[in-house]
Amino acid sequence: AQSVAQPEDQVNVAEGNPLTVKCTYSVSGNPYLFWYVQYPNRGLQFLLKYITGDNLVKGSYGFEAEFNKSQTSFHLKKPSALVSDSALYFCAVRDHTGRRALTFGSGTRLQVQP
Amino acid sequence: DAGVIQSPRHEVTEMGQEVTLRCKPISGHDYLFWYRQTMMRGLELLIYFNNNVPIDDSGMPEDRFSAKMPNASFSTLKIQPSEPRDSAVYFCASSFDNSRDSEAFFGQGTRLTVV
Repeated sequence: AQSVAQPEDQVNVAEGNPLTVKCTYSVSGNPYLFWYVQYPNRGLQFLLKYITGDNLVKGSYGFEAEFNKSQTSFHLKKPSALVSDSALYFCAVRDHTGRRALTFGSGTRLQVQP
Repeated sequence: DAGVIQSPRHEVTEMGQEVTLRCKPISGHDYLFWYRQTMMRGLELLIYFNNNVPIDDSGMPEDRFSAKMPNASFSTLKIQPSEPRDSAVYFCASSFDNSRDSEAFFGQGTRLTVV
């Protein structure tokens, strides 16, 4: 069975500082990894994904994520946080077998203080 | 494309009543997913369809829940009878997955409150 762990319920960072939201995964074989963001009263919006190739993936709104196979991690990063980045962030995984549905982590609330 | 469209956005119903949630996926997408989001359990997959056929319904909580996809542009999730513990936000998502790596696009969700 596949699973995702987001060890931090909340991350606080000052505007302009770098941010990291952590994610580790467990899956059989090679993973497909995704990050989504959810703003209040909205659905989930896709940010970026890792499929294969370069371990550093760049996505929307200046976000990037680094895939580390040995640590089974896929941490989300941004060099300089904005107040508008404050939201709920979800990491998700899917394996290369037949099951097409994503398995999501519990989510991490990012709070960027002015 | 307007994206995944869900209706209603909010639903308040009394315990024991039937509730039907609706979803229109993005045109051309061949996978449709129903998720439920609660504070306690996070995002849970309920069921998903491929080309209108249910593939995995192992996440459906119990027989009170049923989902259908009569055609490529419409799906319903029905709860009968509803209970207070069904209160949650229900999301529909769709994807075009010819290469297994496509992301899913989510609707804005239906917030269900059962009183």
